[in-house]
Amino acid sequence: DTAVSQTPKYLVTQMGNDKSIKCEQNLGHDTMYWYKQDSKKFLKIMFSYNNKELIINETVPNRFSPKSPDKAHLNLHINSLELGDSAVYFCASRHGQIEYDSPLHFGNGTRLTVT
Amino acid sequence: AQKVTQAQTEISVVEKEDVTLDCVYETRDTTYYLFWYKQPPSGELVFLIRRNSFDEQNEISGRYSWNFQKSTSSFNFTITASQVVDSAVYFCALSEEHRAAGNKLTFGGGTRVLVKP
Repeated sequence: DTAVSQTPKYLVTQMGNDKSIKCEQNLGHDTMYWYKQDSKKFLKIMFSYNNKELIINETVPNRFSPKSPDKAHLNLHINSLELGDSAVYFCASRHGQIEYDSPLHFGNGTRLTVT
Repeated sequence: AQKVTQAQTEISVVEKEDVTLDCVYETRDTTYYLFWYKQPPSGELVFLIRRNSFDEQNEISGRYSWNFQKSTSSFNFTITASQVVDSAVYFCALSEEHRAAGNKLTFGGGTRVLVKP
């Protein structure tokens, strides 16, 4: 069984469109994240949610809007896509909010290509 | 602010050679956690090891070993007798036990390891 699953795996779209990426975890974790990996492989946190509550918003353009309907899901909606949004987006989850020693469990990533 | 530096962007070795990946971190906290992740060509991120700031004992797991030195803020990773399947990007990461850090993992820039047959 997949622990953290995100869909779609690939997303190709044109500038100006709106798209969503879905993420679900079945680990019973309380905290979920979105990370962006650019073409140079640099991983940067975008958002963190704990039990549906936004914890971290790392100066991401407000075209990006995360939504957490419950603690097992964290979706990412992107409005007015730009070329610079092309990247791999990783969803992740972690046990608890204060368990700083627990590792992040990552989904397999969504490769977004904006043309 | 927390920061992780992996100075080596790419390392190329021949199979069976040892390879050591450097990781240097910065943190203002006395309690923190360090991690290594592997990202093979297939793209997924695989957790390898974690270490807390109070445990400087080095660890060996099969062909992998880790050297944590608090005095130099380094958490280096060695692959012994490398194999082609070790080819991947390896990330070092830091998590602070500080509420302002928001329970996030800060990653280094990654080191690409290429093991040639």
